[in-house]
Amino acid sequence: GDKVKQSPSALSLQEGTNSALRCNFSIAATTVQWFLQNPRGSLMNLFYLVPGTKENGRLKSAFDSKESYSTLHIRDAQLEDSGTYFCAAEADSGYNKLTFGKGTVLLVSP
Amino acid sequence: GPKVLQIPSHQIIDMGQMVTLNCDPVSNHLYFYWYKQILGQQMEFLVNFYNGKVMEKSKLFKDQFSVERPDGSYFTLKIQPTALEDSAVYFCASSSQGANSDYTFGSGTRLLVI
Repeated sequence: GDKVKQSPSALSLQEGTNSALRCNFSIAATTVQWFLQNPRGSLMNLFYLVPGTKENGRLKSAFDSKESYSTLHIRDAQLEDSGTYFCAAEADSGYNKLTFGKGTVLLVSP
Repeated sequence: GPKVLQIPSHQIIDMGQMVTLNCDPVSNHLYFYWYKQILGQQMEFLVNFYNGKVMEKSKLFKDQFSVERPDGSYFTLKIQPTALEDSAVYFCASSSQGANSDYTFGSGTRLLVI
């Protein structure tokens, strides 16, 4: 099965609303990164997390290594938030590489 | 912030020919990676590289693939010969340390093998 499982696979939001994306890990994740891939394919780093939480503007992310999950909260969604969100984890048993989830495709509409 | 530069951004090549993808990592980073993304799918790890050597490679890193970083030069992924199934976006990444690193990714090279 998938080592990094992302949900939902797709999400449609209206501008101004809030939502949360989630990743569940079946590997012993030690660190997590969240990325946004824009429609042109470029990857933007959003967060790098050890267990704990981080906030940046309208985005907030949490990583709980004991319960093996991470979340990305989007507040007051804007049109430019549209794209594919990937989480990726590094694990004790596979250091020096990231294992990616399949992504959440987010569409924000007016 | 610091960037990873990938050249070229797009490449179209005839099946059977050789292709070299170039990556200019973040300047003080020591660990380098290649990932492969087929259209609409997730990123898959290919290989990591440190101190002039491959540390780990995945099943996707076929015998036709090779990587190197001559001193002061690009970190390269060479495919020789190319096959149709090599068509994908190849992302280079770098990090300053090994385990528990913050990875910086390039914008990818879109490779089309025809």
